[in-house]
Amino acid sequence: DGGITQSPKYLFRKEGQNVTLSCEQNLNHDAMYWYRQDPGQGLRLIYYSQIVNDFQKGDIAEGYSVSREKKESFPLTVTSAQKNPTAFYLCASSSRVTSSTDTQYFGPGTRLTVL
Amino acid sequence: QKEVEQNSGPLSVPEGAIASLNCTYSDRGSQSFFWYRQYSGKSPELIMSIYSNGDKEDGRFTAQLNKASQYVSLLIRDSQPSDSATYLCAASKAAGNKLTFGGGTRVLVKP
Repeated sequence: DGGITQSPKYLFRKEGQNVTLSCEQNLNHDAMYWYRQDPGQGLRLIYYSQIVNDFQKGDIAEGYSVSREKKESFPLTVTSAQKNPTAFYLCASSSRVTSSTDTQYFGPGTRLTVL
Repeated sequence: QKEVEQNSGPLSVPEGAIASLNCTYSDRGSQSFFWYRQYSGKSPELIMSIYSNGDKEDGRFTAQLNKASQYVSLLIRDSQPSDSATYLCAASKAAGNKLTFGGGTRVLVKP
């Protein structure tokens, strides 16, 4: 059963904590992406990766870090430097790296709340 | 000015009517456009993609693209209560496949 999985579904973070969100895909996609969605708003790109061991900052990378050690995995760490991390986090993947026509498919999301 | 703009709504539509959603974009380098549907608390799912000027139909959905005027629209014919959701418009440029999203239009279909 192919797809994108994200865990956990809900995550609670205390002030000053780093937390890591998991994203795994078995679609054999080259590119993976992390987005953040705030209530009533669209998605904003945090980081993206087009190939293993390489990634680029998106529009709102400050306070976040990522790694891409395996093609199928792209974890996102929300660090204590991120001042307002409460949001819905979405991971996506697409098969081709350089085509603008390729579709991005989304995982089910992780809802992060700061206590 | 946001790169991709949508009316936030809500757009209230009677069941069986046509829902018309609009999206404008500011970057003329945008090449491809995508409409995603997002139910409350869920992740976006792709409805339509469009790359060339004109209309593209898929079932009850029609996407329209006008690059000269920099707008994209989505028509939902025979609207059903299950179409009640937020519809996100997204644009990508020629390289890198980075998507820029609008804020979304909330659609309410009333029985």
